[in-house]
Order: sequence, then C-alpha cells, then structure tokens
Amino acid sequence: ILNVEQSPQSLHVQEGDSTNFTCSFPSSNFYALHWYRWETAKSPEALFVMTLNGDEKKKGRISATLNTKEGYSYLYIKGSQPEDSATYLCAFSGNEKLTFGTGTRLTIIP
Amino acid sequence: DADVTQTPRNRITKTGKRIMLECSQTKGHDRMYWYRQDPGLGLRLIYYSFDVKDINKGEISDGYSVSRQAQAKFSLSLESAIPNQTALYFCATSDLAGLNEQFFGPGTRLTVL
Repeated sequence: ILNVEQSPQSLHVQEGDSTNFTCSFPSSNFYALHWYRWETAKSPEALFVMTLNGDEKKKGRISATLNTKEGYSYLYIKGSQPEDSATYLCAFSGNEKLTFGTGTRLTIIP
Repeated sequence: DADVTQTPRNRITKTGKRIMLECSQTKGHDRMYWYRQDPGLGLRLIYYSFDVKDINKGEISDGYSVSRQAQAKFSLSLESAIPNQTALYFCATSDLAGLNEQFFGPGTRLTVL
C-alpha cells in the first residue's frame, strides 16, 4: 500500500493571508500527482494534475509545485478568501489508479 | 445535467440486507472507480474497471462486489451489509488521456444499522 501523507491535517487562516500545505509521496514508479479541492457537501474536483519534476501549475490565486525526486508537492493559496475553505486532497497516480492522502482541511476566518 | 450520477443519494439499511449503489456517466470515459470515504481516512479505492469486461480489486474490496454492465454504468453491491460499511461512497470516472484526472459523482451516504 502506497503512503501518501498530507500536512497539516487542518489549518485556520485569516482572510487575506497566504498559506501553503504539503503532500509527500513515494518517489518511485511516479506517473502523476493530483490535487483536488473538496467543499463540504460537494464532490472533489480536480485542481491540478502534474507530471514533470519541477512542474508549477497556477489557477487564479492557487498554485502548486512538484518535486518528484524527493517526493513532495506544495499547494499555495495567495490572499485567502472565505470561498477557499475546503479540504484539499492530493493523490499519487500510478498508471492505473490513484492513492489519496487524507487531506488538509482549510478554514478561512473572515 | 451532471456528467456522473449516483443513485440513491442517501440510504439507510439494516445489517444483513443486500444493497446496490448505481453509477452512470455521460463523459464517455472507459475507466470507472468506486471509493469510500470515512472521517480521517480519506478516499479509499474499493474496485475499479477499465472496460465492460474488466474488474479490478482496490485497497478494500472485501465485502463488496461490482458489475460493469456497460461503458456508462458501474454498480457496487454489498451482499450482506454490516455497520462498519456505513460511509460516504463516491463513483468516479477518468480518461487515461487526461492522466487519470478523476471526475466524481455526488456521492451516496449509506448508513447500516
């Protein structure tokens, strides 16, 4: 069983502040690293799928980086807004299936 | 209309009952998955299928079975439900060309009494 770890488990951030959290994964047999955003009472939705070492992806105020050699990815949120409150999941992808971390629950304090 | 649908959305059943959860998709994806979510444990893979004739066990397949009746449909069965199968169940689809980006259904909340 692959070990995908996310930290911290939960985070409270003041509105307007920036934040980041971490996903660590096995560095062998790497195919892709996924980030999903999961709002309460909704379904997870993909933010980024990254494949190359050194990859950086950006969507609005959210960005992610990837280091496949050391097995970690960072997700950054700049200028947090209340609508950023959600659980952020990362998933390690082999060719066939994903292994998810347990997520980082982000709460933005107005 | 939603691309990935699940029925029922909520279900309460009793220990020992047989129950089936249905998933349908209009995305035209070959790959379909069933996950369960428990608090503190994240999404865990139960079964997955790459084709109508293809069924693969995931991390936690014991106590479950699946059927891929058509490309668009993937059903999950609990032959004899037990209380520790109480969870939120998600169906998802993906296309290898999209690097397995998963598209999730709305989820089924199952309670086994």
